[in-house]
Amino acid sequence: GAGVSQSPRYKVAKRGQDVALRCDPISGHVSLFWYQQALGQGPEFLTYFQNEAQLDKSGLPSDRFFAERPEGSVSTLKIQRTQQEDSAVYLCASSMGGNTIYFGEGSWLTVV
Amino acid sequence: GQQVMQIPQYQHVQEGEDFTTYCNSSTTLSNIQWYKQRPGGHPVFLIQLVKSGEVKKQKRLTFQFGEAKKNSSLHITATQTTDVGTYFCAGYHSGTYKYIFGTGTRLKVLA
Repeated sequence: GAGVSQSPRYKVAKRGQDVALRCDPISGHVSLFWYQQALGQGPEFLTYFQNEAQLDKSGLPSDRFFAERPEGSVSTLKIQRTQQEDSAVYLCASSMGGNTIYFGEGSWLTVV
Repeated sequence: GQQVMQIPQYQHVQEGEDFTTYCNSSTTLSNIQWYKQRPGGHPVFLIQLVKSGEVKKQKRLTFQFGEAKKNSSLHITATQTTDVGTYFCAGYHSGTYKYIFGTGTRLKVLA
């Protein structure tokens, strides 16, 4: 595609509900990142994939967070038993592995 | 742990004035990137600096990477209202897979 596509753009979840956020990276991009951005803050690293391999998941805040990229293309970030502190924008980004990293428009999650 | 700080946190300037944001890492970086994020938008890649002491220019924007590769700056000459947004630096350490974003500088330009 022309850019990194994320869905849903907006999600309101009740506390305790599970959510799944999808990322379609730019075609052919090897590297895929997930970041979490709280209001007024900088993006915080969550996890990194190189093709289908999850090489770094050190930023995932708890075992309620899980990410996968089974075929090395589309990625899903799953949050189980959502809590209010999970409210944030979840940004996906992809790269050929070189310089430029392209961010999607984000999935805005609000937990009520 | 690895931290990247930016100052100032906020900057209000009159249109036509210059603007500078500074980025400091607690550890030596392999490279540093700069991003711009408009209100309600997503980070947009501006540039990457790799070499010690490197200076790059994009029209009215000048980017510098410190000699020790622990600090960087972004300078905008003669700001315009289109420059409004938050500017983030993001540092990369070799042997890791993550870019660590700075705290950001929110720029407001008054016409």
